[in-house]
Amino acid sequence: EAGVVQSPRYKIIEKKQPVAFWCNPISGHNTLYWYRQNLGQGPELLIRYENEEAVDDSQLPKDRFSAERLKGVDSTLKIQPAELGDSAVYLCASSTRVDTEAFFGQGTRLTVV
Amino acid sequence: EDQVTQSPEALRLQEGESSSLNCSYTVSGLRGLFWYRQDPGKGPEFLFTLYSAGEEKEKERLKATLTKKESFLHITAPKPEDSATYLCAVQAENTDKLIFGTGTRLQVFP
Repeated sequence: EAGVVQSPRYKIIEKKQPVAFWCNPISGHNTLYWYRQNLGQGPELLIRYENEEAVDDSQLPKDRFSAERLKGVDSTLKIQPAELGDSAVYLCASSTRVDTEAFFGQGTRLTVV
Repeated sequence: EDQVTQSPEALRLQEGESSSLNCSYTVSGLRGLFWYRQDPGKGPEFLFTLYSAGEEKEKERLKATLTKKESFLHITAPKPEDSATYLCAVQAENTDKLIFGTGTRLQVFP
């Protein structure tokens, strides 16, 4: 069974530029998460989807971050414009339901210069 | 406020030297506690879910236990390939939010 697929694996951009990350969850998983992980820290939730509905986006900086999950499958996370402090690893995860274990992708390492 | 604290931050073991990692939590109603392993440059890999005090789960050299205030990840006779960061996360009943600790970085030397 294929796991959670993310792309790109690495991205280096200049500050103020836009960037987008893509995630394909495990087939049949209704719950999708985007996390941000800073060096030496645990992942922090940005947004959680149940099918195509964003049910928890309280930690998403809405002035510059946006996300969508088309048809309840793939998801895209966008930052516009990027700031130096956005440098981190962005992780996508999915689960069958919100109360079951989440499976993570490899992550996208973003460096803003 | 829901909180997860892991200790120690880092642990160095000789191959075969058993030890335990601690995860202390404060949450208003525990739905579940999750253990993950994370290798450098990779996403967290799921290990165990524990739902109620007294529950235990085992997988190879790893055993996870749960009380009302903390969880332990016991590593028996570790091998160098067990070297990784081990993350603990708790999910609260009222928010569904998964809160991660900062992890324990384990190094096992031959």
